[in-house]
Amino acid sequence: GAVVSQHPSWVICKSGTSVKIECRSLDFQATTMFWYRQFPKQSLMLMATSNEGSKATYEQGVEKDKFLINHASLTLSTLTVTSAHPEDSSFYICSAPGQGAIYGYTFGSGTRLTVV
Amino acid sequence: GESVGLHLPTLSVQEGDNSIINCAYSNSASDYFIWYKQESGKGPQFIIDIRSNMDKRQGQRVTVLLNKTVKHLSLQIAATQPGDSAVYFCAERGGYQKVTFGIGTKLQVIP
Repeated sequence: GAVVSQHPSWVICKSGTSVKIECRSLDFQATTMFWYRQFPKQSLMLMATSNEGSKATYEQGVEKDKFLINHASLTLSTLTVTSAHPEDSSFYICSAPGQGAIYGYTFGSGTRLTVV
Repeated sequence: GESVGLHLPTLSVQEGDNSIINCAYSNSASDYFIWYKQESGKGPQFIIDIRSNMDKRQGQRVTVLLNKTVKHLSLQIAATQPGDSAVYFCAERGGYQKVTFGIGTKLQVIP
C-alpha cells in the first residue's frame, strides 16, 4: 500500500532556530501533500497544502513566512519551521492522497517538535 | 468539521460492549467521510470511510452511519477490546481534496 515516510519522528531545538520536517511518498507520486499540526489533547488542524511545482496554499491564520513549505518533487514535501518559539512545539503530520485509492489518504507517522 | 481546539471528550466502555462514537460535521458539501484512530504519539490510522451517497457502511467490527440531514456521523465498534483504546476522529473531505478533522473522542476500554 501507499506509504508516506516522515522524518524526523521527534526533534528538540532551541528558540530562534529553524527545523525542517520531511515527508516522502515511498511507492507513489504525491502531487499534493497536506500538513497538519496537533497540540496535546486536541484535533489535527490543517495548516497548508503543498502542490508539486507550485506555491503552497495556507489556511487562514497560518503564517506563510514562518512555516515554509516546499514541494520540489513528486515524492518529497518539506515543512520548515523558521525562528521557532516554544509555542510552536507541537505534533506535525503530513498526509497525501494515496495512489490507487480514489478516496484514500496516507498519513506520515508525525514529528514531535519541542522548542526550548 | 473544523476543530475549535477544545479538549477531547472521553467515552468509557466495558470490554466486550459495543461503542458508539458520534461526530457532527460542518460542511454540507463534503462528499467523503473517514474515521481515524490515533494512538499516542502516532499518526492517524484509517478505520473506515463512507461516501456521501451512502448512509451506512460496515467493516470488520466497525460500522459507520451517515445522516446528511443533520450532518451527523457515527462509528460503531462491536465487542470493544482493550486494543481499541485510542482517540477517534471523524474527518470530512471538502474542496481541493482537503480533509478536515473533527474534535475527536477518547475511547477508554475498561477491562
